[in-house]
Amino acid sequence: DGGITQSPKYLFRKEGQNVTLSCEQNLNHDAMYWYRQDPGQGLRLIYYSQIVNDFQKGDIAEGYSVSREKKESFPLTVTSAQKNPTAFYLCASRPGQGANEQYFGPGTRLTVT
Amino acid sequence: AQSVTQLDSQVPVFEEAPVELRCNYSSSVSVYLFWYVQYPNQGLQLLLKYLSGSTLVKGINGFEAEFNKSQTSFHLRKPSVHISDTAEYFCAVSDPYLQGAQKLVFGQGTRLTINP
Repeated sequence: DGGITQSPKYLFRKEGQNVTLSCEQNLNHDAMYWYRQDPGQGLRLIYYSQIVNDFQKGDIAEGYSVSREKKESFPLTVTSAQKNPTAFYLCASRPGQGANEQYFGPGTRLTVT
Repeated sequence: AQSVTQLDSQVPVFEEAPVELRCNYSSSVSVYLFWYVQYPNQGLQLLLKYLSGSTLVKGINGFEAEFNKSQTSFHLRKPSVHISDTAEYFCAVSDPYLQGAQKLVFGQGTRLTINP
């Protein structure tokens, strides 16, 4: 079954701790994206990557970091510098040239207390 | 920078009634337009997309949308809704001339609630 996997579904952390959210895809897609979703604000782009070993900041990158060492994987680290980390995080991917829509994973809900 | 406005944050509708979810975008140049649906605690699923050509686009689950360039709108419609259509709906836009990245800009979402 091809798709995008995000784990875990729910994640709880104490304030001041870094936490890494997993995103894996077996669709052989080139581009991958991380979004943050808050109630009433839609989705906001955190980071994106078009190819392995390359990534760019999105609109709200502060307090987050990513890596893209493999085509299939695009983990997101929420650092202690992120002031309001509690949110629903969505990973997406897109095929290469000529494709326009993004395909989304099931999301990870992060709660920091 | 592009922006997307979904004019209604919540839309309550009775089952089997028609519904229209409104979406306006800011750019006056060519755009790609999308509607996604999100069921509770899940990811987003593509309903339909407009890239070029016919302004009336048909999608999954009986939804359709009409691209109106002069009004910069891309409203989503369904002639008869079901309880299972209860979800949040997002309109999104991307710039076709931005090679490679194809970033999506999302609206704030419209929560559609179907009442029996």
